[in-house]
This record gives sequence, C-alpha cells and structure tokens, in this order.
Amino acid sequence: DAGITQSPRHKVTETGTPVTLRCHQTENHRYMYWYRQDPGHGLRLIHYSYGVKDTDKGEVSDGYSVSRSKTEDFLLTLESATSSQTSVYFCAISPGGGGSEQFFGPGTRLTVL
Amino acid sequence: QQQVKQSPQSLIVQKGGIPIINCAYENTAFDYFPWYQQFPGKGPALLIAIRPDVSEKKEGRFTISFNKSAKQFSLHIMDSQPGDSATYFCAAKGNSGGSNYKLTFGKGTLLTVNP
Repeated sequence: DAGITQSPRHKVTETGTPVTLRCHQTENHRYMYWYRQDPGHGLRLIHYSYGVKDTDKGEVSDGYSVSRSKTEDFLLTLESATSSQTSVYFCAISPGGGGSEQFFGPGTRLTVL
Repeated sequence: QQQVKQSPQSLIVQKGGIPIINCAYENTAFDYFPWYQQFPGKGPALLIAIRPDVSEKKEGRFTISFNKSAKQFSLHIMDSQPGDSATYFCAAKGNSGGSNYKLTFGKGTLLTVNP
C-alpha cells in the first residue's frame, strides 16, 4: 500500500462521540487526502492537504475536520459522530503534480451506533 | 453534482470475455483520466491512466479508449480472468486552480468474471 498506514483499521463508536482517524505515510509525498466510500456513491473526497498546515475542503466536508502538523501524518476528526458517518474511510497520498497518481491506504471501517 | 458518470453499475462476463466499462464527463477542464481497481477489503489501486492528447493506451490486457469530442472514456479488459473480478472506478483530474490537486471519481462498476 505504497507506504501508507491507517489506524485504527476498525472502530465502533456511539453517536455523539468524537472520533479521530490517523493516516501515516513514509513516502514524504506532499499531497494527502481523506475519502469516504459508501455503496452507490463511490469515493467522495472529504478533505485534502497540499502541505503541512495547508488543508482544504472536499465535496462532503460537513461534520469533519482535519489537521496536518507533520508531512507524514494527516488526521481526520469527526467532532460528534452520527450514524450517517458510518462508512469506510480511505487515506490517499500523491507525489508532486497535484492529484495525479494517488496511492490509497488500506482503509478504516467506522461504525457509528 | 456528479461530474463523472460511470456505467454499468455491475457486469458479469465469462472467462475470456471482454468486459467494457464506460465513463462520461462534463467538465472540459479535466486533463488526466485514471482507472482504479479495488478488491474486497483493500484500498483502490491505480490500474492504468490516460491523458487527453492520445486516443488509446494499452497496458497488458487493459486498454483505455478516449474520445475527447464525446467526452467519454472506457476501459476494456482483454481475455478476462476470474482474478479480474473486482470493483473498477474511473476518475478525472482538473487542470486549474484547486481542482488540479483533486480526482473526481465515478461510482464504480462491480465486475464478476465467471470461470
């Protein structure tokens, strides 16, 4: 998985609790992304980062925040988890050149009860 | 608003058949069109990609055909094998501003290749 790890790999939580997912890369790539994958919706971009402390919103960013304090780590936080945020979350990284050739991590399956 | 429309949603072929997956886009500012392959429980992996200055690209048994005027591109899998059974996603990348960093994905096609 191109030097990308995600943690945790599985998580079950309750509605209203905060949740943080971590993406860690060893490739020193500039760009990092968080997607969610749901049946019938494909992959939808939540947030992305184009450098340390440089982040921007994707198409489904409501209810999510991100932080990137180091090149290798990109954190996704659900401030107050809802059942609609039950999904599989993928982190991706990309070398220079923008969104070309994104490499995906193994995913985190999150269930919000 | 979906900018990349993928069809069919699912596809079943026999071993040796040639499944074809189609994608259409609306934004003429896209400049890179990758296909990703995803096996159950795994992250998507880049399979093959094309830029709009060519009409076809082939890598092994996988071929992308690109029709710029029709704003369509398709994936063909020659001599398909049961091991090709997976979900396939097309995507497109913008060429300006913030869209230069991002991919827009189709909704995916679940391919089953029967032995």
